[in-house]
Amino acid sequence: EAGVVQSPRYKIIEKKQPVAFWCNPISGHNTLYWYLQNLGQGPELLIRYENEEAVDDSQLPKDRFSAERLKGVDSTLKIQPAELGDSAVYLCASSVRPSAEAFFGQGTRLTVV
Amino acid sequence: AQKVTQAQTEISVVEKEDVTLDCVYETRDTTYYLFWYKQPPSGELVFLIRRNSFDEQNEISGRYSWNFQKSTSSFNFTITASQVVDSAVYFCALDNFNKFYFGSGTKLNVKP
Repeated sequence: EAGVVQSPRYKIIEKKQPVAFWCNPISGHNTLYWYLQNLGQGPELLIRYENEEAVDDSQLPKDRFSAERLKGVDSTLKIQPAELGDSAVYLCASSVRPSAEAFFGQGTRLTVV
Repeated sequence: AQKVTQAQTEISVVEKEDVTLDCVYETRDTTYYLFWYKQPPSGELVFLIRRNSFDEQNEISGRYSWNFQKSTSSFNFTITASQVVDSAVYFCALDNFNKFYFGSGTKLNVKP
């Protein structure tokens, strides 16, 4: 069975440009997470979905970040406009239900120049 | 307030040595979950273990073992007879009412 798939793996953009990341969770996993991981730190939750509903987006910087999970499967995370400080790895994870073990994708490494 | 503390930033051992990674967590709730994940250089976090707050029984899985002590709010991870392939960053995490808190990680270097 395929794991969590993220694309692209790497992205380099200029500041003020928009960028989007895509995530395909494991089939049957209702819970989907987006995390941000800065170098040398642990992942920090940005948003959690239960099916298509964003149940926790308290840590998402809503002035520039947005996310969607149409039909409760794939998800997209967008940043517009990107800032230098957004350079990080963006991780997607999914689980069958909240508090169950989460399975992570390989992440998208974003570099804003 | 930091929810999960991994005080060891980096540990280096020689192959076949035993090593313990410390994790201290903070919560006022009685129901929570604790996790350990491994992040190899490839970047993908790999799930190792999940433990609920009502189960303090220690667990052993091959060379891996976990010691959960509620009295000290600790969930330590021991690798016995370490191998070079164990080299990675290890994260402890707390799930507190469906909010996930990761520690800052411990980088383990196992030298041949």
